[in-house]
Amino acid sequence: RKEVEQDPGPFNVPEGATVAFNCTYSNSASQSFFWYRQDCRKEPKLLMSVYSSGNEDGRFTAQLNRASQYISLLIRDSKLSDSATYLCVVNIVTGRRALTFGSGTRLQVQP
Amino acid sequence: EAGVAQSPRYKIIEKRQSVAFWCNPISGHATLYWYQQILGQGPKLLIQFQNNGVVDDSQLPKDRFSAERLKGVDSTLKIQPAKLEDSAVYLCASSSLGTGDTEAFFGQGTRLTVV
Repeated sequence: RKEVEQDPGPFNVPEGATVAFNCTYSNSASQSFFWYRQDCRKEPKLLMSVYSSGNEDGRFTAQLNRASQYISLLIRDSKLSDSATYLCVVNIVTGRRALTFGSGTRLQVQP
Repeated sequence: EAGVAQSPRYKIIEKRQSVAFWCNPISGHATLYWYQQILGQGPKLLIQFQNNGVVDDSQLPKDRFSAERLKGVDSTLKIQPAKLEDSAVYLCASSSLGTGDTEAFFGQGTRLTVV
């Protein structure tokens, strides 16, 4: 089983739509959680951290469910510029302290 | 503030040849990572340095890959000899802390094609 699993998509949605991505992680001792965004042929960049209480940044909402080992990202009012791959990232504490990435979910927002 | 610098941007080599990549992290960042990203996959950690010491190299194929971070600043990643399956983007990242709790800043990567 992969340490971090994501639905690869692609998710094709019209502008203005609401879309949600899910991610599960295998190690219950994981401590930190993030969503990174990666544009085509570019490097990953931090989109937002994910906190236990859930957090929002403009049109983006992240949720964490530790009991189910599940992370989500909700994007409201999708823009064309949101088209990218969204990477779920977990700090898995198994003697390592580096970030472990999922394979990413590709989003394509259509005009 | 300057970002993470990597070179070269692109490299094409034949299998069994050697190749080296260079990374200069953000000034003051003690932690440096090398990730391998194969097309369609997420980045996979190869090695993590804290200053000039190795924190984690458990996923580094040590029979062919090596990395060093002399003086705790710049780093080089070497592949010798390269295989076809090494074709990927090699991403260098740095962060101010080595706990995995802080943002990692990535360079633009080196796209390696092994033919």
